[in-house]
Amino acid sequence: EDKVVQSPLSLVVHEGDTVTLNCSYEVTNFRSLLWYKQEKKAPTFLFMLTSSGIEKKSGRLSSILDKKELSSILNITATQTGDSAIYLCAASNNAGNMLTFGGGTRLMVKP
Amino acid sequence: EAQVTQNPRYLITVTGKKLTVTCSQNMNHEYMSWYRQDPGLGLRQIYYSMNVEVTDKGDVPEGYKVSRKEKRNFPLILESPSPNQTSLYFCASSSQGAGGTEAFFGQGTRLTVV
Repeated sequence: EDKVVQSPLSLVVHEGDTVTLNCSYEVTNFRSLLWYKQEKKAPTFLFMLTSSGIEKKSGRLSSILDKKELSSILNITATQTGDSAIYLCAASNNAGNMLTFGGGTRLMVKP
Repeated sequence: EAQVTQNPRYLITVTGKKLTVTCSQNMNHEYMSWYRQDPGLGLRQIYYSMNVEVTDKGDVPEGYKVSRKEKRNFPLILESPSPNQTSLYFCASSSQGAGGTEAFFGQGTRLTVV
């Protein structure tokens, strides 16, 4: 059975701090790993990673995949209160039919 | 505007009363999927559809049915809802299967079964 585990479960930081969120996966015939941000409603897409070692960056957020370690990290630098959300990691298989999500990391950024 | 539309957004119902949650997308996506979200469990896949008339079970299909008669619509049917189906439900669609590209999510349906 495919499995995705995220850590930590929750995190409280102050504005300006840098955070690293972790995601590990066990997926048969792995295809890609995706990161989503969820505030009060629907998850919104952040990154899709398919190749090991290539960093994807968007503003203060960046992410990288390590296929050898079956893991990915999401970094957020200079955090702001607007970064407060649940961050979800998901892994897909080559058949393109299943997307397995981790339990999420709840990030709270205090002013 | 590209979007996935779910209805209703909120629903309180009684045990055993059949209900349908609708999902419609306007992006001509072949792949659609339903998830439920419960605290601490992330999103769990209920059913998915690779194309019209092609549906299959996800990780937690018990108690649910789906149909895909048209490309744009993918309704979720609870024939006899029970309290353990109280959850937040999301419909999603994407153009290249699960994980091939970003998935677009509906706004969610919060279902309470009493």
